[in-house]
Amino acid sequence: AQTVTQSQPEMSVQEAETVTLSCTYDTSESDYYLFWYKQPPSRQMILVIRQEAYKQQNATENRFSVNFQKAAKSFSLKISDSQLGDAAMYFCAYIGPDSGYALNFGKGTSLLVTP
Amino acid sequence: ETGVTQTPRHLVMGMTNKKSLKCEQHLGHNAMYWYKQSAKKPLELMFVYNFKEQTENNSVPSRFSPECPNSSHLFLHLHTLQPEDSALYLCASSHRRDRGTNYGYTFGSGTRLTVV
Repeated sequence: AQTVTQSQPEMSVQEAETVTLSCTYDTSESDYYLFWYKQPPSRQMILVIRQEAYKQQNATENRFSVNFQKAAKSFSLKISDSQLGDAAMYFCAYIGPDSGYALNFGKGTSLLVTP
Repeated sequence: ETGVTQTPRHLVMGMTNKKSLKCEQHLGHNAMYWYKQSAKKPLELMFVYNFKEQTENNSVPSRFSPECPNSSHLFLHLHTLQPEDSALYLCASSHRRDRGTNYGYTFGSGTRLTVV
């Protein structure tokens, strides 16, 4: 079965600093999509950023950017200028033929932002 | 609000009760999903409806019964649940579940279910 691995259960960052959350996945497919979702205490799962595997250029959304390494099957999320509102659970997710086109999630990383 | 609304937000039920969770979206999406989120475990996909047809049931016990009367509404009927079924149940929707450009899912805020 297709798997997504987040090896950091918890991370901490100071306000205004930069933090990187790690994600690896396994697949033999060439065409798939990767996502980072944020889940704050409100429980709403919010899409942060999306990457298409056939695009070599790393996706960016304001303070959020990814480092997509297709050969290494790595998809890390970088949060720049961290804010208190960034504190949340962050989930890496995959959609592709081998997940039956269902969104397959990692276990998540809890991000703490300190003043 | 994301456009996917789930009710109730919290639910406490006894093991012999029957209750239903409701999900509604008005995003023009054609696929809807139920996920279970338990502590320390990845989100588990339970059911998938694509154009109102159930296309996936991931070995979910029969005490969970989904219903999708139209593309905008999804229900999860619950009966004779066990304490281990206590979890956050998330509904999501997307344009369609197959090949093609994929923009991910839009999620509701979930129903926190406690079985006593």
